[in-house]
Amino acid sequence: EPQLLESGGDVVQPGGSLTISCAGSGFAFSSFAMNWVRQAPGKGLEWVAAISGSGGTKNYADSVRGRFAISADFSKNTLYLQMNNLRADDTALYFCAKDFVGPYPNDAFDFWGQGTMVTVSS
Amino acid sequence: EIVLTQSPGTLSLFPGQRATLSCRASQTVPSNYLAWYQQKPGQAPRLLIYGASSRATGIPDRFSGSGSGTDFTLTISRLEPEDFAVYFCHRYGTSQTFGRGTKVEIK
Repeated sequence: EPQLLESGGDVVQPGGSLTISCAGSGFAFSSFAMNWVRQAPGKGLEWVAAISGSGGTKNYADSVRGRFAISADFSKNTLYLQMNNLRADDTALYFCAKDFVGPYPNDAFDFWGQGTMVTVSS
Repeated sequence: EIVLTQSPGTLSLFPGQRATLSCRASQTVPSNYLAWYQQKPGQAPRLLIYGASSRATGIPDRFSGSGSGTDFTLTISRLEPEDFAVYFCHRYGTSQTFGRGTKVEIK
């Protein structure tokens, strides 16, 4: 069964940067699109970014476009999210999630990690 | 951008009762690309339904999804104690949007 393990969450000052990671196992990592989804404390889910199985297609939510960058190291089965110019409203639990069917980022999410917490505060 | 409105915000029911959750889209959801997830406190979401009505692997048949176009429903036929949780709908495809969730709580 697929497993996803996020890491790298931290407390960061406003305007700062942070990169979080998600290690995948138990599935052919490069055969599926991968996503980042966040959840602010006590709030709902917000999709953040997606990357295709080849890495050639990257999509972003309007709220993070130009500040966040999604990438993947397929040799290490690891997904990354580089976050720059962080704001207080970026504070959230960040989940990585695997696309259900294949390498194109347009599907439901069938496996999720447990999340890594990013707090933006001075 | 399609906005998903879930109702009610909270549903208070007894175990054994039927739960009916609504997800209404501001525009037609292409190809019925609508999913439902269950989330319990401190846990990641779990995929229940995709394509509006297909159950994900391992999901009990008391969970069913229906609807098309702009109106979708998740039905839990008889609530088990482990079903009390928050449920989110999700429009996927060329763009991604989640509803704000419906909390199903024990009455």
